[in-house]
Amino acid sequence: DSGVTQTPKHLITATGQRVTLRCSPRSGDLSVYWYQQSLDQGLQFLIQYYNGEERAKGNILERFSAQQFPDLHSELNLSSLELGDSALYFCASSVSGGAEGTQYFGPGTRLTVL
Amino acid sequence: DQQVKQNSPSLSVQEGRISILNCDYTNSMFDYFLWYKKYPAEGPTFLISISSIKDKNEDGRFTVFLNKSAKHLSLHIVPSQPGDSAVYFCAASSSGAGSYQLTFGKGTKLSVIP
Repeated sequence: DSGVTQTPKHLITATGQRVTLRCSPRSGDLSVYWYQQSLDQGLQFLIQYYNGEERAKGNILERFSAQQFPDLHSELNLSSLELGDSALYFCASSVSGGAEGTQYFGPGTRLTVL
Repeated sequence: DQQVKQNSPSLSVQEGRISILNCDYTNSMFDYFLWYKKYPAEGPTFLISISSIKDKNEDGRFTVFLNKSAKHLSLHIVPSQPGDSAVYFCAASSSGAGSYQLTFGKGTKLSVIP
């Protein structure tokens, strides 16, 4: 158990809909990262928050957004969903945004868009 | 453009023998490297890491070697056990980017045969 929790575990929705994925980092970790794993692309970095502020952006679509709240949990919002958004979404956390970089991953949310 | 490459999609090894998983990278700004293990339907689990100031790091049965001039790292597992059967991801980050976002390879599926 990494100490990172993600909810829900599974999500099935229709095209055009909006969903919210939630992540609670390990106790004491200030940095949260979101990654997407699709079948052909492997694990791709989406976005990072550090202590409530956006720190870095990767291959994140404009239809996607995220935030980190004062209690350090984070939410990833996906809107106008398309079939191609079906993937595993992982959250990871680390102590800081700029230390050694070891990140601990949650169990993931499997999103299926029908 | 894949900055982290794991050229072997799969590897089979007899129990008790050595498993060697390889990883190549192209971005010379990477200065921290990690290996993660992943079981189906679970998040990646951190295994071992190495900073670019070292060329070897050991933790129990796991050793990571880094050859900076060749931009190559490898993970050695000795002795291999059936429980080691999983997908192994190589990942890299750059302190210069200020973010420590991870760039992943596409993974190598290790099968340890009893």
